[in-house]
Amino acid sequence: GDSVTQMEGPVTLSEEAFLTINCTYTATGYPSLFWYVQYPGEGLQLLLKATKADDKGSNKGFEATYRKETTSFHLEKGSVQVSDSAVYFCALKAQGNNDMRFGAGTRLTVKP
Amino acid sequence: DTEVTQTPKHLVMGMTNKKSLKCEQHMGHRAMYWYKQKAKKPPELMFVYSYEKLSINESVPSRFSPECPNSSLLNLHLHALQPEDSALYLCASSLQPGVEKLFFGSGTQLSVL
Repeated sequence: GDSVTQMEGPVTLSEEAFLTINCTYTATGYPSLFWYVQYPGEGLQLLLKATKADDKGSNKGFEATYRKETTSFHLEKGSVQVSDSAVYFCALKAQGNNDMRFGAGTRLTVKP
Repeated sequence: DTEVTQTPKHLVMGMTNKKSLKCEQHMGHRAMYWYKQKAKKPPELMFVYSYEKLSINESVPSRFSPECPNSSLLNLHLHALQPEDSALYLCASSLQPGVEKLFFGSGTQLSVL
């Protein structure tokens, strides 16, 4: 079935460091891909999305590009801040499907 | 109002108790979802309501009983739970079924003793 695999954490970075969180997917057809973020004590929030191959989603300095050839949707940010500390979930939704499938989550801690 | 509100935020219950979790949104969304999230794990889909009708039940045990009394409210009735049911229960909504942007509440942290 459809699934998402993302890099295990936790990831600890210093402020202003470059961030990459890897995500690969397995799906039939052409799913939509997402990154959600969960801050401590809160529910998940949509960070960015891409709905077709070569689309780039971006928000708050974060970017991810839908790569069909490598079935990947890696999350990047050029300069992280302490306020970016959270758990990041990669997710996919197949066409015509109501089921959003999440990866295991990657905890990011940014130190001043 | 762009919020999904869940109550209570924390709940402790015994295995013989009956309790209910509540979820409310006033964004006019017609799809509502219950997810279960164990510690350090991703959310797992439990139920989906589309236009107030149950459309997906992911083989959830009958001790969890969802209810959607109107388009703004979603309940999850709990009865005879087990300690392994302890988790964060998240409610989400979307404008339409299949629309990709989910709005999540902050969850109810449930502990079953």
